[in-house]
Amino acid sequence: DIQMTQSPSTLSASVGDRVTITCRASQTISSWLAWYQQKPGKAPNLLISKASSLESGVPSRFSGSGSGTEFTLTISSLQPDDFATYYCQQYKSYGITFGQGTRLEIK
Amino acid sequence: EVQLVETGGGLIQPGGSLRLSCAASGLTVSSNHMSWVRQAPGKGLEWVSLIYSGGSTYYEDSVKGRFTISRDNSKNTLYLQMNSLRVEDTAVYYCARAKITLAGFFDYWGQGTRVTVSS
Repeated sequence: DIQMTQSPSTLSASVGDRVTITCRASQTISSWLAWYQQKPGKAPNLLISKASSLESGVPSRFSGSGSGTEFTLTISSLQPDDFATYYCQQYKSYGITFGQGTRLEIK
Repeated sequence: EVQLVETGGGLIQPGGSLRLSCAASGLTVSSNHMSWVRQAPGKGLEWVSLIYSGGSTYYEDSVKGRFTISRDNSKNTLYLQMNSLRVEDTAVYYCARAKITLAGFFDYWGQGTRVTVSS
């Protein structure tokens, strides 16, 4: 299976900050990468697919980039609602795999 | 509006069986690719199984031969039959609609149902 590794595992930031989360794949996955946001006790919410395609209804402060093995999720100006855990997921092949998650917390 | 509602979770002893259900509204299960994803307590997301609209199925290695994904078109419901349950199967199980290119990503999710495997 393709291993997905996110960094950092925890990120402390303030409202208004620009933050970047990195996701690395153990082999090339082209652009077959999705990003999700999950809040405690809730189901994940799809933010981005195909590495950089923003889902309908997702604020434009979220953006994704990358291809091959290295990807980033950037939030341009953190809002209070953005403090959550973020996961990347590859869908180049089965078994589908997720990164271990990045918890974004308030500094 | 798409809604996915999972039921069937609970406390079960190791080696036991459980069937999870996911009732859909706002989408037709048989016309969509559907999946199960789980999350162990305090842990990350783990894909479990997927069924294509055409009926092909895929499983994560640790559940192959123990779990079976299926659907009932007349009830517009997705199922996950879980046999030979292990302690490590303890998790919240989510059903999700999958968008397929090579493999799948997940755009609609249910609220989850909790499965606890313990003696």
